[in-house]
This record gives sequence, C-alpha cells and structure tokens, in this order.
Amino acid sequence: KNQVEQSPQSLIILEGKNCTLQCNYTVSPFSNLRWYKQDTGRGPVSLTIMTFSENTKSNGRYTATLDADTKQSSLHITASQLSDSASYICVVSAPNNAGNMLTFGGGTRLMVKP
Amino acid sequence: DTGVSQDPRHKITKRGQNVTFRCDPISEHNRLYWYRQTLGQGPEFLTYFQNEAQLEKSRLLSDRFSAERPKGSFSTLEIQRTEQGDSAMYLCASSLGGLAGMAYEQYFGPGTRLTVT
Repeated sequence: KNQVEQSPQSLIILEGKNCTLQCNYTVSPFSNLRWYKQDTGRGPVSLTIMTFSENTKSNGRYTATLDADTKQSSLHITASQLSDSASYICVVSAPNNAGNMLTFGGGTRLMVKP
Repeated sequence: DTGVSQDPRHKITKRGQNVTFRCDPISEHNRLYWYRQTLGQGPEFLTYFQNEAQLEKSRLLSDRFSAERPKGSFSTLEIQRTEQGDSAMYLCASSLGGLAGMAYEQYFGPGTRLTVT
C-alpha cells in the first residue's frame, strides 16, 4: 500500500527559531512530491512541488529537500513567525491510468509561540 | 475572488438525511477533485473529473456518494442517507491537466465541514 509518513506529529517552537519537518514515503512509481500548509479550518495551500530530478526547492523561508533514492523529504522553516502555526502536509503524486493520484501524509502540526 | 469556492462552509444534518455540496473551481481549470479530511488526518482522495468526465473514484466513495460535473464547470457531491461516520471536512480542488508527466498544481477550496448528528 502506498504510504506517506510524517514526523513529528506535532511540534512547538519559539518565534524566530528554525525547524525541520520530515516525510518518508513508499509511493511507487513516483511523479512528484508536494508540501502544503493548512491553517485550521481552511483548505491546504501549496508551498513547493518537486519532481524526482529536483533535490531542493525554496519558497521564501520554506526550503524543501528530496532524496528520491531513500524516499525521504524534509521541509525546513527558517526564522519562524507566529503565522507559521499550521499543519504541514507532505503529498506524494503517483502517475496512474487517469492522471496523477495524490497520497497525503497525516501532517505535522506546528505551533509557534512568542 | 478567482479561487476555488465551496458552498456551504458548514452543514449540520441528522443521520439519514441527504446532503449536497457544491464546488466552483478556478474557471480555466479542467480538472476537479474531491477529498475528505477527518480531524488530525491528511485529506483522502474521493474522486476526480477531467472536464465533465468522472475519471476515477476511490474505494472510499460508497454507493451513498455521488459526484457530478455536468457542464465541466462546477461540481456537486451528494451524500445519501448520511451516517455519523460521514462527519468530516469535504475539500474540493482544481487544476489544469492533460499532459503526461507534468506536475499540475492543485488549488484547494476552503472546504465544507459536515457534522452528522
């Protein structure tokens, strides 16, 4: 079964600190990996998309890495802000007959405290 | 606002009733997706349309669930004879699509939160 596992499940950090979230996946074949940010009660918003040939991608203070050999990805948040408090979801896309199917991880719930 | 919109945002219904949700995608997007998300979990794929054709359905989509996209624009998701286990956030997303190997961005709506009492 294709799976996406994220760690930690939850994380509390102080404002201004950095943090790194992890994602391991078993989805195969693999098309691309995405990180989404989801505020409570809202839909997910895309942060980055990486294909298997990319090993890093940045979006402002967010930097995602991908190791397609070990099937691992990380999301690094630099100089955290209170507004970074949200769930961060790792999503792996696999090609199928009809199109790309997304498999979502359970998310890491991040809380940034002043 | 040119993003994905969903209506209603919240729905409370009694067990056994039917409910219908609507999703309006970004206008130029030909693909539309429905997902279900329970508290503390990531979204789970339910079904997806390319234009008006429903191309894929998850095993999660029991026969009480039906989705339509009659004109290839907005979509509806109907749940018949609701059960307490149907309580969840129902998310809609849209994207461009059509070229194999392309990573098309999916844009999510705000979701409809369903509570079945």
